[in-house]
Amino acid sequence: AQSVTQLGSHVSVSEGALVLLRCNYSSSVPPYLFWYVQYPNQGLQLLLKYTSAATLVKGINGFEAEFKKSETSFHLTKPSAHMSDAAEYFCAVSLESSASKIIFGSGTRLSIRP
Amino acid sequence: GAVVSQHPSWVICKSGTSVKIECRSLDFQATTMFWYRQFPKQSLMLMATSNEGSKATYEQGVEKDKFLINHASLTLSTLTVTSAHPEDSSFYICSALVEGVTYNEQFFGPGTRLTVL
Repeated sequence: AQSVTQLGSHVSVSEGALVLLRCNYSSSVPPYLFWYVQYPNQGLQLLLKYTSAATLVKGINGFEAEFKKSETSFHLTKPSAHMSDAAEYFCAVSLESSASKIIFGSGTRLSIRP
Repeated sequence: GAVVSQHPSWVICKSGTSVKIECRSLDFQATTMFWYRQFPKQSLMLMATSNEGSKATYEQGVEKDKFLINHASLTLSTLTVTSAHPEDSSFYICSALVEGVTYNEQFFGPGTRLTVL
């Protein structure tokens, strides 16, 4: 069965520092992978997605993620954190191009220190 | 882009009453919509898949008689929590499926916070 593991329920970085949020997946077939951001009391916004094209995926707000099949990872990075990046981030996996079944990770709360 | 709205954004109700939550696709038609539930500081859990013109498909452990889903049009799905109890208090999020050429994508609504007293 497919699953997603996000390492670290809470990550805190200084403003301007590198952001690294870790995500590992388990899948028997090539997956479709996503990162979503959720601000307090709001729905999910898609940051970026991997759909078997380029392994380095660039998303909105300066985020990017690299699909590494050998490591079964899809870590999210941003070179320089901004205060507005403080939010909850979810990694997710879908095994189907139909996107009818998306499995979400447990989430990582990102805090930014001034 | 594809915009999904939910109404209301928050609702407080008394135990035993029923509450209806609407999910609308504003600028596209959605044959398929999804309903998720999110408890505080937890991830989203899929409750059911809503298909226009047919019965919803519920995930294991979700009571279909308690969480009534109606997808009567291509732009509207509703979730009714019947005889709500405090344990039903949660954040409910819907999404609508946009069908692409090579890949489909879910677009999420802003969520509805339900508090049952």
